[in-house]
Amino acid sequence: DQQVKQNSPSLSVQEGRISILNCDYTNSMFDYFLWYKKYPAEGPTFLISISSIKDKNEDGRFTVFLNKSAKHLSLHIVPSQPGDSAVYFCAAQIYNQGGKLIFGQGTELSVKP
Amino acid sequence: NAGVMQNPRHLVRRRGQEARLRCSPMKGHSHVYWYRQLPEEGLKFMVYLQKENIIDESGMPKERFSAEFPKEGPSILRIQQVVRGDSAAYFCASSSVARRANEKLFFGSGTQLSVL
Repeated sequence: DQQVKQNSPSLSVQEGRISILNCDYTNSMFDYFLWYKKYPAEGPTFLISISSIKDKNEDGRFTVFLNKSAKHLSLHIVPSQPGDSAVYFCAAQIYNQGGKLIFGQGTELSVKP
Repeated sequence: NAGVMQNPRHLVRRRGQEARLRCSPMKGHSHVYWYRQLPEEGLKFMVYLQKENIIDESGMPKERFSAEFPKEGPSILRIQQVVRGDSAAYFCASSSVARRANEKLFFGSGTQLSVL
């Protein structure tokens, strides 16, 4: 039962363009969503998050959008840089279970110079 | 200011042997989480521990797996009688607060377990 889904295993974009990574979820109890970035042979590192009471959160080149009615969120990276090439994981949590994250399968982003 | 430290980075075991994975949380963190990543999958929660207590082990397989976080020393994830299906990357994460809604986890670099 995959409660958090990232349907695109990979994405390739040109440097300077926008990268859009998508994530869908099924559990209405999720009220906090996070994006983690992972390089090979390293652990995931926190990137950006959003509470379910918001529909947008922005941090520099990274913006996360949340559409609760569609149970969908997306991560926008603009402009994309070669150093952004990594695997991006969407994760969700329930309010009283902070730290117990439900992860998607990940999307491997490749930014070409 | 060391981050979450995991060792070993790579561990090779033969079927039936025991695997011990260690995790030292960030300084000042008393909450430890273990996650497992099977090939081509996302990370899956296994267990949440505080010092000397298992708080949530809902993601742990019922047999052969155990975890501890003693008063002194690192957290240990122990897998007895390993099987090929245990081959995975095991990640430890730590945090300074308990179960806050926007809790930010800090992950270690993981232990890659290979079972021959």
